[in-house]
Amino acid sequence: KQEVTQIPAALSVPEGENLVLNCSFTDSAIYNLQWFRQDPGKGLTSLLLIQSSQREQTSGRLNASLDKSSGRSTLYIAASQPGDSATYLCAVRSNSGAGSYQLTFGKGTKLSVIP
Amino acid sequence: DAGITQSPRHKVTETGTPVTLRCHQTENHRYMYWYRQDPGHGLRLIHYSYGVKDTDKGEVSDGYSVSRSKTEDFLLTLESATSSQTSVYFCALSDRADTGELFFGEGSRLTVL
Repeated sequence: KQEVTQIPAALSVPEGENLVLNCSFTDSAIYNLQWFRQDPGKGLTSLLLIQSSQREQTSGRLNASLDKSSGRSTLYIAASQPGDSATYLCAVRSNSGAGSYQLTFGKGTKLSVIP
Repeated sequence: DAGITQSPRHKVTETGTPVTLRCHQTENHRYMYWYRQDPGHGLRLIHYSYGVKDTDKGEVSDGYSVSRSKTEDFLLTLESATSSQTSVYFCALSDRADTGELFFGEGSRLTVL
């Protein structure tokens, strides 16, 4: 059974710092990995999707990398801003058998960027 | 962003009453999902649909049923709500089961008294 872990559970940084959020997964046979952002009381917003054949994806100040062999992904946020404060979740899509595909979520990292 | 609308956004109900949550999409995506999000448990899949009238169970399906009579609508029904079903419910959709990007609605907060 796929398990996804995000450490740390919470992170506080001063504005302007570059930071890295970590996501690890136990089964490397994945189809893709997706990073989301969730603001309090809101839904999940998709940030980046990395297919299993890709090593990284970039969107603005965000860069996500994927290393399937080690079961790891990182989300790099450059020049952090207070508006980046949110909970960041990663999710891994795997084959759960019988032709179905399961998305397994980590519990998230709550990021606070201090002005 | 994908066009996903959930209704109602907030609901308070009493134990034992039926509740239906609706998810409506304008993207014509084939796959639709219902998740619940609870502190300490994260996001858990309740049911999903892979086409009109094609649905299957997720990991926490007990006490829930779903229906999909049109591509754009996916309904989640609690036949007899219990306090343990107090949660935030999210609808999500994707155009492919294996490699598709998942898009979420804004959520429906349900409180069962």
